[in-house]
Amino acid sequence: DAKTTQPPSMDCAEGRAANLPCNHSTISGNEYVYWYRQIHSQGPQYIIHGLKNNETNEMASLIITEDRKSSTLILPHATLRDTAVYYCIVRVARPWETSGSRLTFGEGTQLTVNP
Amino acid sequence: DGGITQSPKYLFRKEGQNVTLSCEQNLNHDAMYWYRQDPGQGLRLIYYSQIVNDFQKGDIAEGYSVSREKKESFPLTVTSAQKNPTAFYLCASDRVGTGELFFGEGSRLTVL
Repeated sequence: DAKTTQPPSMDCAEGRAANLPCNHSTISGNEYVYWYRQIHSQGPQYIIHGLKNNETNEMASLIITEDRKSSTLILPHATLRDTAVYYCIVRVARPWETSGSRLTFGEGTQLTVNP
Repeated sequence: DGGITQSPKYLFRKEGQNVTLSCEQNLNHDAMYWYRQDPGQGLRLIYYSQIVNDFQKGDIAEGYSVSREKKESFPLTVTSAQKNPTAFYLCASDRVGTGELFFGEGSRLTVL
């Protein structure tokens, strides 16, 4: 699975949009981009994933560049509760396999939302 | 409510002792996973299981053992062979192939 690169930390003002970048320049055509977040001392939480089209759900939006070498997770109106470590993960989705998800978590980006 | 339950939340053990961490899920997920997290680090995969009575080693399986006798349960044993067992242990599950993992709240193991 492709390796990802994220900035170690970012700050955002409460109420503003938080834009978290992720580089995955070696991504293959059949690899998805997943985002998770982990609030301190809790288990990670799934946020969103996508292949090549932009995706949006109730938590966030995922923007993937046309060449798929980078993506941005957008939290449209960040709150203090969004302070967490955000993980960008690239993984092949092979539903016909039985090898499981095997998501590989790097060190992520520590997002701090300030009042 | 459906979810994953890990116990105990905090555990202390003396060197040389085996300990077993419990993980139970009622989400009807086929796949279950154990991850280890050290301070300031990402998660590393210890073991995973796709189906009852079958499991596979992850990236750091040495010193750990698991069993999968029931779909709902995937206990992890930290053996005395694990040289640095102090860590935060996370259990997760998903429907095979989706990548949308549900995590428990974790178990924090401290070796005295």
